Amino acid sequence: SSELTQDPAVSVALGQTVKITCQGDSLRSYYASWYQQKPGQAPILVIYAKNNRPSGIPDRFSGSSSGNTASLTITGAQAEDEADYYCNSRDSSGNSWVFGGGTKLTVL
Amino acid sequence: QLQLQESGPGLVKPSETLSLTCTVSGGSISRSGYYWGWIRQPPGKGLEWIGSIHYSGSTYSNPSLKSRVTIFVDTSKNQFSLKLSSVTAADTAVYYCARHWPLVGENWFDPWGQGTLVTVSS
Repeated sequence: SSELTQDPAVSVALGQTVKITCQGDSLRSYYASWYQQKPGQAPILVIYAKNNRPSGIPDRFSGSSSGNTASLTITGAQAEDEADYYCNSRDSSGNSWVFGGGTKLTVL
Repeated sequence: QLQLQESGPGLVKPSETLSLTCTVSGGSISRSGYYWGWIRQPPGKGLEWIGSIHYSGSTYSNPSLKSRVTIFVDTSKNQFSLKLSSVTAADTAVYYCARHWPLVGENWFDPWGQGTLVTVSS
């Protein structure tokens, strides 16, 4: 079982805002990074160090963190944002890394 | 532009050792600070971190796999490799390699290779 917990599925209407959350005790000490994975493709990094976007990631993607919860927010979701999203951080020991179980985002 | 490419057998027999190599192009594997990681994804399931290695040979491994995992680096070929011993059907997965930046305040995996499917079957 994962030390980082995500809702299995979330949906959002086209153009609306959606928040995807990731919970875990280790998030009180370490920031999460977030990955987008579309079917048949490798994951890509969308947010790291709480709220930093790699080059090429649209600014509608943002991150935040509070207590034991990290969040990925998509403001004005687009059809192309439909994908699986995974959070990642160190585990409670600090010596290994763990992914959340993933959230399947559907854009209606 | 940094690119990673996994290679290795797509079929491994139960109880044998899975061996994969990741070739890094467009940059040096010896660049200070970076680690190089392996992540896998069973069909229809989520991501699982396997382990990461620094060019110096320093490694981190998933505790649940540590007894079966060996990760090593060949700086002369700009490659790093994974060996997973005593495989079972549960090790069937797409295996990805990725550059890993493991700092406490800034942890990420980027970029990723395209992934390679390894099936464990007799």
